[in-house]
Amino acid sequence: KAGVTQTPRYLIKTRGQQVTLSCSPISGHRSVSWYQQTPGQGLQFLFEYFSETQRNKGNFPGRFSGRQFSNSRSEMNVSTLELGDSALYLCASSSRQGMNTEAFFGQGTRLTVV
Amino acid sequence: GESVGLHLPTLSVQEGDNSIINCAYSNSASDYFIWYKQESGKGPQFIIDIRSNMDKRQGQRVTVLLNKTVKHLSLQIAATQPGDSAVYFCAESYSGNTPLVFGKGTRLSVIA
Repeated sequence: KAGVTQTPRYLIKTRGQQVTLSCSPISGHRSVSWYQQTPGQGLQFLFEYFSETQRNKGNFPGRFSGRQFSNSRSEMNVSTLELGDSALYLCASSSRQGMNTEAFFGQGTRLTVV
Repeated sequence: GESVGLHLPTLSVQEGDNSIINCAYSNSASDYFIWYKQESGKGPQFIIDIRSNMDKRQGQRVTVLLNKTVKHLSLQIAATQPGDSAVYFCAESYSGNTPLVFGKGTRLSVIA
């Protein structure tokens, strides 16, 4: 069974631009969660989608948004990029809503804002 | 590869020895706990999980112990190998509908 696939692996953007990251969950998984990982803050929850609906949201500004499609693939968007948005963005999929079940992570997208 | 934490606590063990990685969790209501391993340049990889109705669970070469009284979780790795070198994260969740909250991580360094 294929794992969680995130694209692209690496991105370099300029301050003020916007970016869209993509995540394809494991086949059959309907929950997709997004995390931001930085050396200073560790892994921080962004949001969770289940059956195309946002179920949980972390403490991030409105510049961070996401969506999920009917095939469970998810995208997250960051608008008006800031230098502090440079991070590894990780997506995790699981079979059930909520995170009290095995969640499998992708390799992440490394975003660098210059 | 990426640096997942510049100032993480580090545990150095000799190859073949057993490793114990500790984690203090924050929410006494948490009922689900999970350990992840993250190697440089990769996403976190599931190792083992445990629910609050258990105090011990074993996997292949790994054991997780849960002490709810003191809100402590530990991961034991038997016969540690060089391939076990990575950053290890514990995470907690509760009520089945809340996101995983991750600890800061511990870097395990295996000395061959």
